[in-house]
Amino acid sequence: DGGITQSPKYLFRKEGQNVTLSCEQNLNHDAMYWYRQDPGQGLRLIYYSQIVNDFQKGDIAEGYSVSREKKESFPLTVTSAQKNPTAFYLCASTSKGPGSPLHFGNGTRLTVT
Amino acid sequence: DQQVKQNSPSLSVQEGRISILNCDYTNSMFDYFLWYKKYPAEGPTFLISISSIKDKNEDGRFTVFLNKSAKHLSLHIVPSQPGDSAVYFCAASEYVSRGDSSYKLIFGSGTRLLVRP
Repeated sequence: DGGITQSPKYLFRKEGQNVTLSCEQNLNHDAMYWYRQDPGQGLRLIYYSQIVNDFQKGDIAEGYSVSREKKESFPLTVTSAQKNPTAFYLCASTSKGPGSPLHFGNGTRLTVT
Repeated sequence: DQQVKQNSPSLSVQEGRISILNCDYTNSMFDYFLWYKKYPAEGPTFLISISSIKDKNEDGRFTVFLNKSAKHLSLHIVPSQPGDSAVYFCAASEYVSRGDSSYKLIFGSGTRLLVRP
């Protein structure tokens, strides 16, 4: 079955450590996105990539970094510079075209203490 | 400033009745609007969308209405079922690059729907 896989489901880190969240898709989609969800808030865009080896900052990119070396993979690194890293992180992908819906993975819950 | 707003954080309806979820936006350049449904600890799933050139789109029990002059859209669920209980997000599509149809979605804060049996 085609889909988006995010791993791990739950992740715990100590403050000051960098951590990388995995996102893999086998939908052959060109565009991939990272969103963050906090309690009572909507999804906020961190980074997005429309094509391999290219990506753009979203609305809350500070303290995060990404890479897009392969079409299928779009890992997100939460660095120690991110002030409030504890959140639910969602990866999504879509084929390009007007109105094409984003397909989301099941998310990674990151807890930093 | 939020470009997409869902002003009702929660809604409770009786099974079989209509659920109406509302969404307001500020950017008249949005091309498409989408509704997503989300369960706890899962990713959102796409429900229905509408082009900015239309005023209604229907898919089974779900209908989305768009009022461009008011910059307002709504999702109607008829009849509501207990399995519809979830958080519903409204999203608007903003083009990043028209040359290659690249865009991003801007989400509202969500409305938690509870359908009582």
